[in-house]
Amino acid sequence: EVQLVQSGAEVKKPGESLKISCKGSGYSFTSYWIGWVRQMPGKGLEWMGIIYPGDSDTRYSPSFQGQVTISADKSISTAYLQWSSLKASDTAMYYCARLGNSGSYGHYWGQGTLVTVSS
Amino acid sequence: EIVMTQSPATLSVSPGERATLSCRASQSVSSNLAWYQQKPGQAPRLLIYGASTRATGIPARFSGSGSGTEFTLTISSLQSEDFAVYYCQQYNNWLPLTFGGGTKVEIK
Repeated sequence: EVQLVQSGAEVKKPGESLKISCKGSGYSFTSYWIGWVRQMPGKGLEWMGIIYPGDSDTRYSPSFQGQVTISADKSISTAYLQWSSLKASDTAMYYCARLGNSGSYGHYWGQGTLVTVSS
Repeated sequence: EIVMTQSPATLSVSPGERATLSCRASQSVSSNLAWYQQKPGQAPRLLIYGASTRATGIPARFSGSGSGTEFTLTISSLQSEDFAVYYCQQYNNWLPLTFGGGTKVEIK
């Protein structure tokens, strides 16, 4: 069974750094792209970027380029999303998703990590 | 960027009735279109990919159609568990991948 398990909710202050994780199991972690999706409170879904853990090829949506860093550690089947300096506007639910066999759609999803940034 | 527009924003339907959701792309995405269902407090769930292929375990009452710029998700007979928000997503151009704004299907 394919599973993506994300790290727990975080409460941070503006300017702090943060790294959240997404651990894959039940499939070959290095053979599928993983993406990160933001959902701000009461809003829709936005793709932030994707990574291929096999070679760490990473692609960012223009809106998120330079704002976050996506990485992966294939030795522990885990993908990461990190911020160097959080803003209040980063408050959102963040989902990881394993992309499909036949295209860049979210086939399997993590449970989500709620990030709250508040002074 | 390919803009995905979903209509209507809210659809009020009685249980057992048919629901038809629309998704339009600002340029052709071929058949590279997926549909998701999201319930409150839950992660999105893949329903349809390739515009018309149901994901594993998705009931046959869900069907997708269309190609190019016009797509439709049809729920043939709404069950209580189908009341949720539905999103379309294009993956023809990955920079960036884009979702529509969503259609909320509510109980009439």
